[in-house]
Amino acid sequence: EPEVTQTPSHQVTQMGQEVILRCVPISNHLYFYWYRQILGQKVEFLVSFYNNEISEKSEIFDDQFSVERPDGSNFTLKIRSTKLEDSAMYFCASSPWTGTYEQYFGPGTRLTVT
Amino acid sequence: DAKTTQPTSMDCAEGRAANLPCNHSTISGNEYVYWYRQIHSQGPQYIIHGLKNNETNEMASLIITEDRKSSTLILPHATLRDTAVYYCIDMLGSEKLVFGKGTKLTVNP
Repeated sequence: EPEVTQTPSHQVTQMGQEVILRCVPISNHLYFYWYRQILGQKVEFLVSFYNNEISEKSEIFDDQFSVERPDGSNFTLKIRSTKLEDSAMYFCASSPWTGTYEQYFGPGTRLTVT
Repeated sequence: DAKTTQPTSMDCAEGRAANLPCNHSTISGNEYVYWYRQIHSQGPQYIIHGLKNNETNEMASLIITEDRKSSTLILPHATLRDTAVYYCIDMLGSEKLVFGKGTKLTVNP
């Protein structure tokens, strides 16, 4: 069964450094998303992406964040200058065009900012 | 904030049916009801969705009341691996998912 994959599984970085989190969505899916979950808290929406552009973003997704689909298969989330409060699990999700929009999530990347 | 309300926690015996309720007091006519779950430290997992009719798939059954103000997710024969936080979400189209606190289901041996 096709799955969303994410790399790395765990990323440790120092405050102020740039990180890129990578995702490979399910191959025939058209909608892509990033969510995050700070330890012990709810899963929060960051951004949705369709047809090579952002379709919606949350207040969390400020100028420090960017997304890209560089090669038609990967979907990346970049944080330009990480802060301590960016420490969280980051989940990528993708959704097919089937008339309804169930989202399929990857296993997540645990980002630790020190 | 999430638009749905769910009990904070529930327990179920292994092999028995788990019935998880959800209230959708502000659902609109064209919003779907979706159920997801999150097993500890994993990504959320899509379970099932519906609009008006009851639905069943290999994972679960979904019962939606006629007024659509509440739904029930049924796991017919719960296993220990079904221990997770279960979320009901009502949404339109390809919108973002808004997760609440969900129901923590514990399946006991």
